[in-house]
Amino acid sequence: EVQLVESGGGLVQPGESLRVSCAASGFAFSNFAMTWVRQAPGKGLEWVADIDVLDYNTYYGGAVKGRFTISRDNSKNTVSLEMKSLRVEDTAIYYCARRWGGYNFDPWGQGTLVTVSS
Amino acid sequence: QSALTQPRSVSGSPGQSVTISCTGTSNDVGASIYVSWYQQHPGKAPKFIIYNVSERPSGVPDRFSGSKSGNTASLTISGLQVEDDADYYCCSYVARYTWVFGGGTKLTVL
Repeated sequence: EVQLVESGGGLVQPGESLRVSCAASGFAFSNFAMTWVRQAPGKGLEWVADIDVLDYNTYYGGAVKGRFTISRDNSKNTVSLEMKSLRVEDTAIYYCARRWGGYNFDPWGQGTLVTVSS
Repeated sequence: QSALTQPRSVSGSPGQSVTISCTGTSNDVGASIYVSWYQQHPGKAPKFIIYNVSERPSGVPDRFSGSKSGNTASLTISGLQVEDDADYYCCSYVARYTWVFGGGTKLTVL
């Protein structure tokens, strides 16, 4: 069974850093690009970042570019999101998802909640 | 990149059909064959239900269908069932491996 399990969420103060991770199982992780999508409380989905298979190319949404870094470790089947200079508006559930068929997201993990508050 | 525009809510009775629109621009929905839809029940992760505008992944009932005209994509759910009560999000590939989601639509099955 394909499974994605996020971890690392928590409460941090504005300006601090946090790293969330996603452990993948049930598929050939190194063959798939991976993505992070977030959802602020009571709000819609927002695409955050993506990491490709070849050359580990990375891509970011405008709201996080320059502050967040996506990375992967194919030996551990994990993808991570390093978040720096966190803002109150970064408060959200962070989901990781496998990129399927090149341009779609399937499946998704259960998400990890990141709360940025003083 | 601004979020795609979806109606905040739609409703229907069991057995009826509903259509959810998703309006973007000529830079995203209008230019892309890679429009997808996701269903999200409260407290759950999103589930992938439509890709490439109108294709259904394995296991998704044929009651779910997608289409696109110009800058607007649409999701139609026919033969509504109680379990279809959920939030629905459209998503469009933009360019250079970036994506934009719609604001989401709450479907209430009365």
